[in-house]
Parts: sequence; C-alpha cells; structure tokens
Amino acid sequence: AQSVTQLGSHVSVSEGALVLLRCNYSSSVPPYLFWYVQYPNQGLQLLLKYTSAATLVKGINGFEAEFKKSETSFHLTKPSAHMSDAAEYFCAVSDKAGTALIFGKGTTLSVSS
Amino acid sequence: DSGVTQTPKHLITATGQRVTLRCSPRSGDLSVYWYQQSLDQGLQFLIQYYNGEERAKGNILERFSAQQFPDLHSELNLSSLELGDSALYFCASSGGGAGTGELFFGEGSRLTVL
Repeated sequence: AQSVTQLGSHVSVSEGALVLLRCNYSSSVPPYLFWYVQYPNQGLQLLLKYTSAATLVKGINGFEAEFKKSETSFHLTKPSAHMSDAAEYFCAVSDKAGTALIFGKGTTLSVSS
Repeated sequence: DSGVTQTPKHLITATGQRVTLRCSPRSGDLSVYWYQQSLDQGLQFLIQYYNGEERAKGNILERFSAQQFPDLHSELNLSSLELGDSALYFCASSGGGAGTGELFFGEGSRLTVL
C-alpha cells in the first residue's frame, strides 16, 4: 500500500527565503506524485504532479519538485517565498490514474516579512 | 474554480441526526471521490464511485454511505452523527482511467455536530 510522510508539520520562512517542504513516499510500483495547496477556507488546488516524465517538475506560482527514486522523495521547493505562499501544503501519491490519492498529513507554511 | 460544486458549504446539526452532502463533478468526469479532513486524522479517503458504481472504499464508517446518480452527481449520507464526525468533507472528481491521475477538489462542506 502506498503512504506519504511529510517531515515537519510547520515550516516558517522569511519573505524572499528558500522554501523547502519535504515529502517521502512508499509505493510498490512507480508512483504518481502530487503536491496540493490549501488556502484558508478553500479546497485543495493542484500545484504540480509527477507522472514518470521529467524528474524535475515545475508547477504554478514558481514551485517545483524533484522526484528522486533512490531516496523515495518528492520535495517541494521555491527559490523565494512570498507572503501569499502562506498556506497548507499536501503531498499525495497514487499507483495509477483513476484511483484515490493518499495524502500526507500536511505542512503549514508561514511566511514572515 | 475547479468546476466541482459542493453543497451545503456549512452545516450545523446535533448528535444522532442524519445529513446529506451533495457533489457535482466537473463536466465530463466519471469518478467522484469523498474525503474527510479533520485536525487529528488529516485528509482521509472515504469512498470512490465511477460512473454510478462503487469502485473503492477507504476509511468509511458503516454509519456513512454514498451513491452516484445517473447524472453523475454524488451524495454522501452521514447518519447517527457523533461529535467526532465534525470535519470538512471534500468531494473530488477525475476523468476515466486514462490521464495523469490528478483529482479536482470542491471547496468542501464543513459539518459541525453539536
């Protein structure tokens, strides 16, 4: 069965600093991997997805993630944080399209000025 | 706007009661998924329907049930409600088996059980 572990339930950065949110997955087959963002009182919005094409995936709002099979990781990064990036971020995995995603517990990102 | 519509947005009810949450998927999407989000459990997958048929079950309680209708909208029925059922319930949709696997989420229905 697949599972996802997000290291760090809360990450705080200064505006302009590097954002790094960690995600490790467990899957018995090549996974589909996703990062979603949830702003307060809103639903989940897809940031980016990995589906076995390029290992470095670019998403919306300047975020990117790198798939590292040897480390079973899919960490999310952004070179320079903006105040508007403050939200909760979820990593998710599935083993094939058309199936439910399994989510990590989420990481709350705070950005200070 | 994801194209997934959920109603109601907020619902307050008492223990022991029954409620129904409704979801309209994106146009053309055949799969509907229900998730429960709570502070202690995070995002938990409850159940998936595909073109009217149950496809997968997650951590759904026996007091909860769902169905998907011929027009592809779905309802999640929660009965004999307990305080611990207070949560945000999300519906998501996706296309058929092909594609890249992402789900499109509605804005959720916040259930408060008093």
